[in-house]
Amino acid sequence: EDQVTQSPEALRLQEGESSSLNCSYTVSGLRGLFWYRQDPGKGPEFLFTLYSAGEEKEKERLKATLTKKESFLHITAPKPEDSATYLCAVQAGYQKVTFGIGTKLQVIP
Amino acid sequence: DGGITQSPKYLFRKEGQNVTLSCEQNLNHDAMYWYRQDPGQGLRLIYYSQIVNDFQKGDIAEGYSVSREKKESFPLTVTSAQKNPTAFYLCASSPDREGGTEAFFGQGTRLTVV
Repeated sequence: EDQVTQSPEALRLQEGESSSLNCSYTVSGLRGLFWYRQDPGKGPEFLFTLYSAGEEKEKERLKATLTKKESFLHITAPKPEDSATYLCAVQAGYQKVTFGIGTKLQVIP
Repeated sequence: DGGITQSPKYLFRKEGQNVTLSCEQNLNHDAMYWYRQDPGQGLRLIYYSQIVNDFQKGDIAEGYSVSREKKESFPLTVTSAQKNPTAFYLCASSPDREGGTEAFFGQGTRLTVV
């Protein structure tokens, strides 16, 4: 059974304090790993797709990396507007996507 | 602007009632999905459709029904057979019929049983 585990469940950072969110996965035949951002009461917003180990993608203060067992979402010098829940999802087979519970990030001014 | 529109934002259902959640997209995407989100759990797939007039059950389809009569529309009916319908429902679409690409989500419908 495909599994996605995100850690920590919650993270509180001071503005400017860089950190990383972890997404560990077990899946047979990874087709893609996705990162989303979700604000309270809203739908998830797509951030990145990673397809193979060693791949990295960046967007503003966010950088996503992928190994064979986990992905990291690095947040550099976060701002309060980066506060949200970050979701990780993996796709193994045909239309088979498994989501993690998410990491709730709070950035304090 | 292109996107996915879900309505209503909030919905209240009495015991024994069927209710229908609306989902419309103008992204010209083939694939559409319905997910359910509960506190402390990841998103769970209810139904998906890759093409008009065809849809498949996801992991938790019991007590739900869908239709795909138009490419743009994928309504979800929560029937009285769904024992615990209170949840946040998310509709999504994707340009790739087989998945493997990102999904675009609507803003969700929060359903509460009263």
